[in-house]
Amino acid sequence: GAVVSQHPSWVICKSGTSVKIECRSLDFQATTMFWYRQFPKQSLMLMATSNEGSKATYEQGVEKDKFLINHASLTLSTLTVTSAHPEDSSFYICSAPGQGSANEQFFGPGTRLTVL
Amino acid sequence: LAKTTQPISMDSYEGQEVNITCSHNNIATNDYITWYQQFPSQGPRFIIQGYKTKVTNEVASLFIPADRKSSTLSLPRVSLSDTAVYYCLVGGLSSGSARQLTFGSGTQLTVLP
Repeated sequence: GAVVSQHPSWVICKSGTSVKIECRSLDFQATTMFWYRQFPKQSLMLMATSNEGSKATYEQGVEKDKFLINHASLTLSTLTVTSAHPEDSSFYICSAPGQGSANEQFFGPGTRLTVL
Repeated sequence: LAKTTQPISMDSYEGQEVNITCSHNNIATNDYITWYQQFPSQGPRFIIQGYKTKVTNEVASLFIPADRKSSTLSLPRVSLSDTAVYYCLVGGLSSGSARQLTFGSGTQLTVLP
């Protein structure tokens, strides 16, 4: 099946710094990718839809200036958490839709962000 | 977007069959039903997808009644490694909306020895 990777798998940073998370589709092209955030013991929450060659679409309540998304190629989307604060500490997961079925998504392994 | 309702948690023993039911009363005509499995600190993994009746693959079966207002994920002979959170999603990318990717609360399945 299709593989989606994320880098880094975990990151610890100081408050006020920016962190970039990469999401790659390894064996297929993805014009659309999705970014989620998951807090402990909670479900995944869709943050934004990343569109290759155009601006990302953000869900209500997600600050687009804080969570910068760039989808520069058909296999790479990046999420940059700018001026990170402890409340941004979470598990960030990306996904890309499959080529065939209507609802299958291929998820990355996730990135654990801890802001001190 | 069709909202889904699942039990928060379920316990089972090794070797038993586990059935997790999801309610989706306002499912749309072009919506598919998809189930995902998630282990701690990992991304969700696709289990099975269906539109109506019954679908079976190497890991699970999905039962969908004629009115499609609910669905049941059946895991045969579970093992300890099946302990995970199981999510039911309803929707279809063909609708052109990303909102089909809304995850419900999921069901925490715990398999006991």
